[in-house]
Amino acid sequence: AQSVTQPDIHITVSEGASLELRCNYSYGATPYLFWYVQSPGQGLQLLLKYFSGDTLVQGIKGFEAEFKRSQSSFNLRKPSVHWSDAAEYFCATYGQNFVFGPGTRLSVLP
Amino acid sequence: NAGVTQTPKFQVLKTGQSMTLQCAQDMNHEYMSWYRQDPGMGLRLIHYSVGAGITDQGEVPNGYNVSRSTTEDFPLRLLSAAPSQTSVYFCASSRLRGTDLNYGYTFGSGTRLTVV
Repeated sequence: AQSVTQPDIHITVSEGASLELRCNYSYGATPYLFWYVQSPGQGLQLLLKYFSGDTLVQGIKGFEAEFKRSQSSFNLRKPSVHWSDAAEYFCATYGQNFVFGPGTRLSVLP
Repeated sequence: NAGVTQTPKFQVLKTGQSMTLQCAQDMNHEYMSWYRQDPGMGLRLIHYSVGAGITDQGEVPNGYNVSRSTTEDFPLRLLSAAPSQTSVYFCASSRLRGTDLNYGYTFGSGTRLTVV
């Protein structure tokens, strides 16, 4: 069965610092992998996706993610965080259905 | 504007009442689904549909019904509301396969439901 874990419930970083949000998945085959962002009171917006090919994918808002098959991971990174990045981030896979992780809430200190 | 439209945005129900959450998309997506979002639990799939006339259960289907009579609409019915159904509900749609899946899911803006 598909599953997604996000080990960090809440992360706080200072503005301008680098960011890495962790995501691990479980699926028999190579899944489609996604990262979504949800601002307070809003729906979910797609940040980036991985299907195949280059394991480092670029997304919107300066985010990138790296697929590591050996670690079953798809971690999200950003070199310099902005205050507007404060939100909840969800990792998701698509195999037979979309399955979402529990989310990581990001707080940004000024 | 193309996208997924959910109504209502907010709703308060009394225990035992029934209601229907509406979801419509104008992108000709085959796949539509309903999720509920609860703190610390991410999004959990309630029901989904891969096309008109086809529906199936997700992770947490109990207490909810769906139907898909058209490609565009996918309403979610609460048969007898319970406080445990207090949540934020999201409808989403997608192409099923191929390069269109590049766009992932398109989400509605959500319905915040409180059952008292």
